[in-house]
Amino acid sequence: QKEVEQNSGPLSVPEGAIASLNCTYSDRGSQSFFWYRQYSGKSPELIMSIYSNGDKEDGRFTAQLNKASQYVSLLIRDSQPSDSATYLCAPWGGATNKLIFGTGTLLAVQP
Amino acid sequence: GAVVSQHPSWVICKSGTSVKIECRSLDFQATTMFWYRQFPKQSLMLMATSNEGSKATYEQGVEKDKFLINHASLTLSTLTVTSAHPEDSSFYICSARVRGHNPSNYGYTFGSGTRLTVV
Repeated sequence: QKEVEQNSGPLSVPEGAIASLNCTYSDRGSQSFFWYRQYSGKSPELIMSIYSNGDKEDGRFTAQLNKASQYVSLLIRDSQPSDSATYLCAPWGGATNKLIFGTGTLLAVQP
Repeated sequence: GAVVSQHPSWVICKSGTSVKIECRSLDFQATTMFWYRQFPKQSLMLMATSNEGSKATYEQGVEKDKFLINHASLTLSTLTVTSAHPEDSSFYICSARVRGHNPSNYGYTFGSGTRLTVV
């Protein structure tokens, strides 16, 4: 089992729709969870972080965490073409105490 | 704040030569820096963790004699790819952990990456 699993996509959504990105992780000791956005050829940029079970909202983005299910998600409301990128899920902490990345989900927002 | 400057942004070198990549924390002290490598259409793979003033810790499968890491100061970490070969061509990214105001609130900030092409 991979440490961090994401659907590679591409996930295609029309402009203005909600994009839902999912991630599962194997290390139950993970304490913090980060979502990064990476445009092609660029380095990752932090979108959101979440530490507690439940929802955390920041503008058009909502992160959801369920530690019991080892599941974290990112919702993007009112998706824009500029949101088209690869979204990386990265749990931190636990046994390795390192930031481990999933393979990422490629999001394509269609104008 | 919390900017990591990485240079060069891209480099082409001949097979057998060495290449040095620098990462500087501009407005904070980075006691620990992380070096990642990313091949096309793949995720970031952690190569090593460098700590200021001590030896780097390498991940399993990463050759420490090939990828030399030096973290001589609180603001500078370097990765040297020695005797580079075409299979070392990749996107190399450094990262530093940044502590926020809340002890539980922190993140990792990334350099802009270095595209290495070995010909």
